[in-house]
Amino acid sequence: GDSVTQMEGPVTLSEEAFLTINCTYTATGYPSLFWYVQYPGEGLQLLLKATKADDKGSNKGFEATYRKETTSFHLEKGSVQVSDSAVYFCALTYNNNDMRFGAGTRLTVKP
Amino acid sequence: DTGVSQDPRHKITKRGQNVTFRCDPISEHNRLYWYRQTLGQGPEFLTYFQNEAQLEKSRLLSDRFSAERPKGSFSTLEIQRTEQGDSAMYLCASSFPDEKLFFGSGTQLSVL
Repeated sequence: GDSVTQMEGPVTLSEEAFLTINCTYTATGYPSLFWYVQYPGEGLQLLLKATKADDKGSNKGFEATYRKETTSFHLEKGSVQVSDSAVYFCALTYNNNDMRFGAGTRLTVKP
Repeated sequence: DTGVSQDPRHKITKRGQNVTFRCDPISEHNRLYWYRQTLGQGPEFLTYFQNEAQLEKSRLLSDRFSAERPKGSFSTLEIQRTEQGDSAMYLCASSFPDEKLFFGSGTQLSVL
């Protein structure tokens, strides 16, 4: 079935470092792709999304591009902050009915 | 606070007991979803409602699990005869059709 695989964590970076969290997907069709973030003690919240190939989602300095040729949706940020420390989940869905999430990658940013 | 709220935040129960969780979605949202998340894993879809109709259920939702949304507003998820394997975070989310999901903070269930 359709699924996403994301890089295992945890990831620890220093403030202002460059971040990449890899996500690849397996799908029979053309799903929408998402990154969700979960800050400590809070619910998951949508970070960004892309609905078709070559779309770039962006928010709060984070970006991810929907790459059909490599079936990837890697999350990047040029300069991370301590406040970015959270768990990041890659996900896919066709119509919001059954969203498939990756296992999550925990990011810790140290000052 | 007008987000998705879940109650209780934590539930500890003994194996074999029944438990019920409640979710209050964002009031204008007509879709409501239940997910389950175990430690180190992403959320897994359980079921969803559009208004009061339960439109889809995952194979993960055994016959010990039942969800309702009687008036198309709040929802309840009941687990009968709990097992230790039911220990997990149960997440509720709501949305408009085809729009982003808003998640609650979840109910952490521990079955002893």
